[in-house]
Amino acid sequence: QKEVEQDPGPLSVPEGAIVSLNCTYSNSAFQYFMWYRQYSRKGPELLMYTYSSGNKEDGRFTAQVDKSSKYISLFIRDSQPSDSATYLCAVSGGSNYKLTFGKGTLLTVNP
Amino acid sequence: NAGVTQTPKFQVLKTGQSMTLQCAQDMNHNSMYWYRQDPGMGLRLIYYSASEGTTDKGEVPNGYNVSRLNKREFSLRLESAAPSQTSVYFCASGTGGHTGELFFGEGSRLTVL
Repeated sequence: QKEVEQDPGPLSVPEGAIVSLNCTYSNSAFQYFMWYRQYSRKGPELLMYTYSSGNKEDGRFTAQVDKSSKYISLFIRDSQPSDSATYLCAVSGGSNYKLTFGKGTLLTVNP
Repeated sequence: NAGVTQTPKFQVLKTGQSMTLQCAQDMNHNSMYWYRQDPGMGLRLIYYSASEGTTDKGEVPNGYNVSRLNKREFSLRLESAAPSQTSVYFCASGTGGHTGELFFGEGSRLTVL
């Protein structure tokens, strides 16, 4: 079983839609959860960071972690064409300081 | 502020040739990383350096070597390139630890014929 599973999509939505992106992970030692955004032909950049369970909101973006089900989510409200990118979840924890990335979900927001 | 700079951005090699990918960061970060990104495989860690003078293998180290030249620079070498090493390579740096954000370069696109 992969440490982090992420549906690669692609996901295509109309402008203004609510987008839900999800990952599952297998190692209960993971306590640090991140979402990176990667535009085409660019390097990933950190979008959201969450420690342990709960929600974190930043503008139109909400990151949610459910450690009991080992499930992490990123919600995008009022999606915009500029949100079109690949979204990668990443986890770390325990004695392992290295980030483990999901495969990424390609999102297209159509005007 | 340049952040993380990778060279070259594009390279075409023939099987068996060698080359070095260069990476430099100007953020005074202790940790540096080399990832490869392939369609359907996501980002996979090749090697990392937690601090100047140390290097460790990641998930997919075979066929690669690294050198942490100083705190700023971390190079990745392919001694005898193979078609399976065709990929996009990303260098990243960070403060280290669980809460440290990673900063990525723009990538180096390598094709091995």
